[in-house]
Amino acid sequence: AQSVSQHNHHVILSEAASLELGCNYSYGGTVNLFWYVQYPGQHLQLLLKYFSGDPLVKGIKGFEAEFIKSKFSFNLRKPSVQWSDTAEYFCAVFTNAGKSTFGDGTTLTVKP
Amino acid sequence: DTGVSQDPRHKITKRGQNVTFRCDPISEHNRLYWYRQTLGQGPEFLTYFQNEAQLEKSRLLSDRFSAERPKGSFSTLEIQRTEQGDSAMYLCASSPEGGGAQYFGPGTRLLVL
Repeated sequence: AQSVSQHNHHVILSEAASLELGCNYSYGGTVNLFWYVQYPGQHLQLLLKYFSGDPLVKGIKGFEAEFIKSKFSFNLRKPSVQWSDTAEYFCAVFTNAGKSTFGDGTTLTVKP
Repeated sequence: DTGVSQDPRHKITKRGQNVTFRCDPISEHNRLYWYRQTLGQGPEFLTYFQNEAQLEKSRLLSDRFSAERPKGSFSTLEIQRTEQGDSAMYLCASSPEGGGAQYFGPGTRLLVL
């Protein structure tokens, strides 16, 4: 069965701190990997995606993620967070057959 | 606005009643997904359509749940004989291709009293 694990449920950082959110998945076949963000009061938005090629992908607002196939990981990073990055972050795995699995999310609180 | 839309945004119903939600995807997207999300959890996959064909259903989708996409455009999700455990946010997403990025609507928040 396909599963996605996000290790940190709640992360609290001060502005300008660096961020890394962990995501591990289990699936035996080819997957596409995503990070979504949900800002307070808004709906889920795509942050970045990985299909193939360069395992380091860049998304919006200075976020990036690295796919490490041997570790089944797709961790999200940002060198310097801002107060406006306060949100909930979801890692997701989609297959071409239409199977979609999300992690339980990590709530990021950035203190000004 | 050409994003995914959902209607209604909020629904309060009494246990045992039937409810129906509607989702209008991005017009050129042939894949449409339904999810359920409860507090502290990520979206849980319920079902998806490619055009009008329902290709996969989760085991979460009991016999009380049914989804349709009759003309390959908008979709409806019906819950019959609602239970308090059905209280959740119901999300719809669409995508232009299998495995591709999914674009989410604002969701319908259901409260069953």
